[in-house]
Amino acid sequence: EDQVTQSPEALRLQEGESSSLNCSYTVSGLRGLFWYRQDPGKGPEFLFTLYSAGEEKEKERLKATLTKKESFLHITAPKPEDSATYLCAVPSSGSARQLTFGSGTQLTVLP
Amino acid sequence: DVKVTQSSRYLVKRTGEKVFLECVQDMDHENMFWYRQDPGLGLRLIYFSYDVKMKEKGDIPEGYSVSREKKERFSLILESASTNQTSMYLCASTSWTPNTGELFFGEGSRLTVL
Repeated sequence: EDQVTQSPEALRLQEGESSSLNCSYTVSGLRGLFWYRQDPGKGPEFLFTLYSAGEEKEKERLKATLTKKESFLHITAPKPEDSATYLCAVPSSGSARQLTFGSGTQLTVLP
Repeated sequence: DVKVTQSSRYLVKRTGEKVFLECVQDMDHENMFWYRQDPGLGLRLIYFSYDVKMKEKGDIPEGYSVSREKKERFSLILESASTNQTSMYLCASTSWTPNTGELFFGEGSRLTVL
């Protein structure tokens, strides 16, 4: 059974305090790993796709990396506007049209 | 700007009522999805559709049905609402080239069943 586990569930940082979010997965034949950002009361918004171990993607203060068993979302010198829930997802083993999502990490950046 | 619009942001219904949630996308996407999102459980796929009049069950289809009569519109139907269907419902669409992973989501419909 496909599983996506994110940790920690919640993270509070001071502005400028860098940290990392973790996404570990068990799926047969990884066909990509995807990161989304979700603001309160809104739908998720796509951030990154990673396809192979060793790959990295960057966007502003965010950098996503991928190994064979997990992905990290590194947040460098975060600002309060980075506060959101970050979700990761992988295509399901049974159907590439379906994504299996983790339950997310709720990030709060305090000014 | 790409857009997925869900017809109702907030709904309050009584147990046993029939509920319609509508979703419209303006991107000419073939694929559309309905998820529900609950604290601690993440997003769970209810149904998806890869073409007009085509539908496939997701992980939690029980108690739900869907309709896709036009490419741009995908409706979720709760035939007889129950309190355990209180949740945030999210519609998404994509053109889905293999492994792109980029779903476009609506803003969600928060349903409360009393």
